[in-house]
Amino acid sequence: GAGVSQSPSNKVTEKGKDVELRCDPISGHTALYWYRQSLGQGLEFLIYFQGNSAPDKSGLPSDRFSAERTGGSVSTLTIQRTQQEDSAVYLCASSTQGRSYEQYFGPGTRLTVT
Amino acid sequence: GQQVMQIPQYQHVQEGEDFTTYCNSSTTLSNIQWYKQRPGGHPVFLIQLVKSGEVKKQKRLTFQFGEAKKNSSLHITATQTTDVGTYFCAGVLIKAAGNKLTFGGGTRVLVKP
Repeated sequence: GAGVSQSPSNKVTEKGKDVELRCDPISGHTALYWYRQSLGQGLEFLIYFQGNSAPDKSGLPSDRFSAERTGGSVSTLTIQRTQQEDSAVYLCASSTQGRSYEQYFGPGTRLTVT
Repeated sequence: GQQVMQIPQYQHVQEGEDFTTYCNSSTTLSNIQWYKQRPGGHPVFLIQLVKSGEVKKQKRLTFQFGEAKKNSSLHITATQTTDVGTYFCAGVLIKAAGNKLTFGGGTRVLVKP
């Protein structure tokens, strides 16, 4: 079946511009995560959505970052007034509730801020 | 501070040799997962351990969950070039809400042919 998809795969933007990154989770998965991964680094948790519960935004690095998940499916991560330090790969993952908490990752969006 | 730590950060291995990478948590975990990320790729789930002292094997990979459920290890025997990548452990902290995972920093494995 279809996995997690993300778009765009690559995004180059100028400093100060806003960007939107999209994630389509696996159908039926109620949990959705956003992570950020800088080159050669680990996974930095950004935000977590679970069903209709209030999202866990504890990982968002600043108020320039926001995310929403519409209809319990597609999610959009928005970065306003981008800075060069925002350059990274942004990974989305989804998982299903139940016995397994296995996360399925999308291919990521590589963001470059010039 | 970081609650899940992995050591070593880098592992250089001669092809054919064995090695072990470790994952340590400051708090008790309800379960532990391991992921592998190939260079240029995204993390892919390998396995999940739930029970204290649990050991699971996948071909040349052996995963273990500590008795106190605060640490885990991944042992790879007869390393091959296909083992190159970063191995992440991720734990669900006992006190965490929902099924949020906390990832370790990863062990980057380089294999010398």
